[in-house]
Amino acid sequence: GQNIDQPTEMTATEGAIVQINCTYQTSGFNGLFWYQQHAGEAPTFLSYNVLDGLEEKGRFSSFLSRSKGYSYLLLKELQMKDSASYLCAVMDSNYQLIWGAGTKLIIKP
Amino acid sequence: DTAVSQTPKYLVTQMGNDKSIKCEQNLGHDTMYWYKQDSKKFLKIMFSYNNKELIINETVPNRFSPKSPDKAHLNLHINSLELGDSAVYFCASSQGLAGEVMVETQYFGPGTRLLVL
Repeated sequence: GQNIDQPTEMTATEGAIVQINCTYQTSGFNGLFWYQQHAGEAPTFLSYNVLDGLEEKGRFSSFLSRSKGYSYLLLKELQMKDSASYLCAVMDSNYQLIWGAGTKLIIKP
Repeated sequence: DTAVSQTPKYLVTQMGNDKSIKCEQNLGHDTMYWYKQDSKKFLKIMFSYNNKELIINETVPNRFSPKSPDKAHLNLHINSLELGDSAVYFCASSQGLAGEVMVETQYFGPGTRLLVL
């Protein structure tokens, strides 16, 4: 079966750094997405990785290791507005997105 | 200026009723999707659709049917609503055509919160 695993919830302090991990087992791989979802809102696109390595985009970076079936999202200089759920999704061999349940990130002052 | 819009935002209805949720995108995208997000926050694909191909997730009951009057619209019709249909339904769109070797970012609508009593 296809499976995406992420921690259910994480807590971090404003101004700090947090790393959200995602491991996956899918039938085929055509890239990994990270989305941010604030409570009661739609998911919004953050990043896309298809090759191994780190992609940096401002305060957010995403890393992929295809051989390990592993990705992480790194958030730096955390702000209160970063409190949200972060969804990991993998595009399988049929170009369908398989979604994780999301990691709820709580930022404390 | 809204890229992907859905109506209604909230829908409360009785078991057994038939209802529709509308979705429109003004991005000029070729592919549209319907997702169900349950109480555990899993996003599950229900349908992906363009003018050439409808891909149905085999786990979706046939009480659910997508209807597309044109490329910019993909409505979701639900017959004989059941309690377990209560969830948030998201419409999304992407530029690429289903089946092509192309990976496209999906853009989501604001969601429709369906509560079946």
